[in-house]
Formats: sequence, structure tokens, C-alpha cells
Amino acid sequence: SYELTQPPSVSVSPGQAARIACSGDALPKKYAYWYQQKSGQAPVLVIYEDSKRPSGIPERFSGSSSGTMATLTISGAQVEDEADYYCYSTDSSGNPSFGGGTKLTVL
Amino acid sequence: EVQLLESGGGLVQPGGSLRLSCAASGFTFSNYAMSWVRQAPGEGLEWVSVISGSGGSTYYADSVKGRFTISRDSSKNILYLQMNSLRAEDTAVYYCAKESGIAAGGNEYFQHWGQGTLVIVSS
Repeated sequence: SYELTQPPSVSVSPGQAARIACSGDALPKKYAYWYQQKSGQAPVLVIYEDSKRPSGIPERFSGSSSGTMATLTISGAQVEDEADYYCYSTDSSGNPSFGGGTKLTVL
Repeated sequence: EVQLLESGGGLVQPGGSLRLSCAASGFTFSNYAMSWVRQAPGEGLEWVSVISGSGGSTYYADSVKGRFTISRDSSKNILYLQMNSLRAEDTAVYYCAKESGIAAGGNEYFQHWGQGTLVIVSS
């Protein structure tokens, strides 16, 4: 199955930029998507098609993609941004896959 | 406002069956593909199955192929997941998710999620 690789954890202080990477062989040709999941809650889409932000998502959330790496950046991370973040994409055949998730700690 | 409400989870013995439902509202149900995604306790997200807006196309993860069946009733705006031959490793919260378009697979993604229903497979 298609593998998307994320770091297990990222830690930043409030106000610092948090960057979460996601690597996958098909990312040069496939979009990356990012989901935020707070404890005990359902996932929420925060970035779609590499860099687009859904309505209602704060501007401090941004995404980029280059080669086999997609990156979610939270500029000026806040305590309420503490959550698990999952990248999502598909392989060249359209088979869906999630990354293993990254636990973001803001303290 | 898009609303997705799952139901049907519970405790079931290994080898047993369960049918999950997802009641959808706030959008034209038949215009969107729908998926099931699960999350085992303390683990990450795993896509399970997708069905196109028309119901004519369905796809499954290898881990559930031949055991699970996805279906939809557009007259009632309900998505289903029939789960047979359940195993301990099927224990998870099952989320239904509205996709971004009508087709199953391709460049669609999960736009909205329900709150999930917990399935526990244990004797």
C-alpha cells in the first residue's frame, strides 16, 4: 500500500511557526490534503489541494508542496492548535492513504 | 450546514455482523460520493470504503474487501456499511465522510466528517 511519512511529533512554543512534513512518492503528481484532529473529536479539513484553505480555517494555516514533500505550516501556533495532524493523498492509481499522523504540542 | 450522523456501532463477537448507518443532511446527497474511514483506539486514520454519488461504483481497502459492503439510499439520504465476519482488528471508531465530488476515487477528498460510531469486536 502507498506510504505517506510524517514525523510522529512536533513541538513549538506559542507564537512560533510549526511545520509538519509529509513525504510520498506520488506527491509530485497528486495533491496533498491536511486534517486536524483534536482529542476526542472528528477530523477537520484545514488544507486542500496542497495549499488552499477552506472557509473558516484561520489564515495562520498554510500548505505547500514541492517534489515528494508536502508541508503544513502554522504561522504563530496557538495553544488551541494542539492536535494530531494527518496528511492525505492518493497513489498513482487513485488508492487513498493517510500519513501516520503528527502530534503537535504547543507549550 | 452539512450534517453527518453515524449510528449502529456497539459490541459484537468475533465472526459477527453489524450494520452502520450515516444520516446525511444539508446537501444534495446524490451529488456526492461518500466514504467510511476508521480509527482504531490510539491509532491513525484508515480509509475503509467509498461509494459514488450514483451508487454505481464502490471500492474497498484490502483489509475489508469481501467482508464489508458499502451502500446508499438516496431516497432517505442514508449511507450504510454492512460489516460481516468481524475481527478484533476491526475495532475502531467508524466515521462517515462526504467527499468533494460525485466520483468515487480519483482526486476527491473528505470534505466533511461525522462524529463517528464505535465498533468493538470482542468475546
